[in-house]
This record gives sequence, C-alpha cells and structure tokens, in this order.
Amino acid sequence: DVKVTQSSRYLVKRTGEKVFLECVQDMDHENMFWYRQDPGLGLRLIYFSYDVKMKEKGDIPEGYSVSREKKERFSLILESASTNQTSMYLCASSLPGAQILGYTFGSGTRLTVV
Amino acid sequence: GIQVEQSPPDLILQEGANSTLRCNFSDSVNNLQWFHQNPWGQLINLFYIPSGTKQNGRLSATTVATERYSLLYISSSQTTDSGVYFCIPYTGGFKTFFGAGTRLFVKA
Repeated sequence: DVKVTQSSRYLVKRTGEKVFLECVQDMDHENMFWYRQDPGLGLRLIYFSYDVKMKEKGDIPEGYSVSREKKERFSLILESASTNQTSMYLCASSLPGAQILGYTFGSGTRLTVV
Repeated sequence: GIQVEQSPPDLILQEGANSTLRCNFSDSVNNLQWFHQNPWGQLINLFYIPSGTKQNGRLSATTVATERYSLLYISSSQTTDSGVYFCIPYTGGFKTFFGAGTRLFVKA
C-alpha cells in the first residue's frame, strides 16, 4: 500500500523554538506539498516541491521554509514558532500532472505552539 | 482561480440513511478527486473522476464536467462515514483549489 508518512501525529512546541515537520513518501513521486488546515479557512498551501532541491512558495509561506534533499523526503521548518502557527499540517505527494492521478495525503501533524 | 462550492456545508444523518453531496466548480477541469477526512484528520482518497460515474461499495460519484459539478452518493450510511468530504477539481499545474467541504455526522 502506498504511503505518505508524517513523523508526528501530535506535537507541542514553545514559542521561538525551531520546529521540523518531516514527511516521507514511498511512491517515488516527484511532487510534494505542505498544507495547513485551520477551521473556517480550509486547506492552504504553504510550499511545494516538484523535484529534489526545488521548492516553490504556496499561498502562505511566511514564517516557514522547506527542505528537499532527497526525493522521498520533504521537510517543513518553522524557523521561530509562534502561537499563530498552531494548526493541523498535512503533507501530500503526487506524480507530475496531479490532475491525472491526484494526491495522496499523510495522516497529518497537529502542532500546538504554547 | 477556480471557485469550488460544496453543499450542504453540514449534514446530520441517522445510520442507514442515504445522502448526496454536491461539488460545483467554476471552470473546466482535467480531473476531480473526492476525499474523506476522518475525525483523526487523515485525508483518504475516495475517487478520481473527471467524468462519468464510478462506484465503490456504498459510495458512488458522478461528474458532469460540461455542467461543472460532481456528486458523491453515500448509501446506507454508517457512523464511520462521519468526517469532512472534500472535492478537489484539477485544472492543471500545481495550484489546487479546495472546497470548504461538507461536514457529515452519522448518528448511531
């Protein structure tokens, strides 16, 4: 069964900490995405990557950075966590041309910044 | 970008009831995907359906691309069907447009 695995289901961090959220996929997908999901705002794209070492900003990149050193792994970094980054974070992957086969999502990480 | 409207926004069903969820979109699409987000947050693919009708057990979906809508049918609903249902129409490229979802609660 194909999988997108996020390293943590629940995470609690302190304001100002540097936070790493890890996502690994075993489908050899070129594209990987990070979204955050907030009540009333739906899913919003933070960053995506279409190849190793390539990254593109999504709709809300401020306060975040990403790293893609290997094809299977896409990391989201909160440089200095703030309480407004408390959210559900979802990683997804797809083949090129997501419109053909669509996305596969990870199980999500609920991050609380205190 | 494409506008996505899902209805109803909220739905409460008695176990065993049937329901229809609707997704309207404002532009031509290459494909469309339905997801179920369970109460634990996991987004699970239900259907890829650019046009026509597909069935998988108690669920079926129909997309009428020329009229810019898709329907998800749930028959004989179960409590495990609870969660949020999203449709994602794909127009090409990396930009993806999510509807706000339909929140379903199935009572035992």
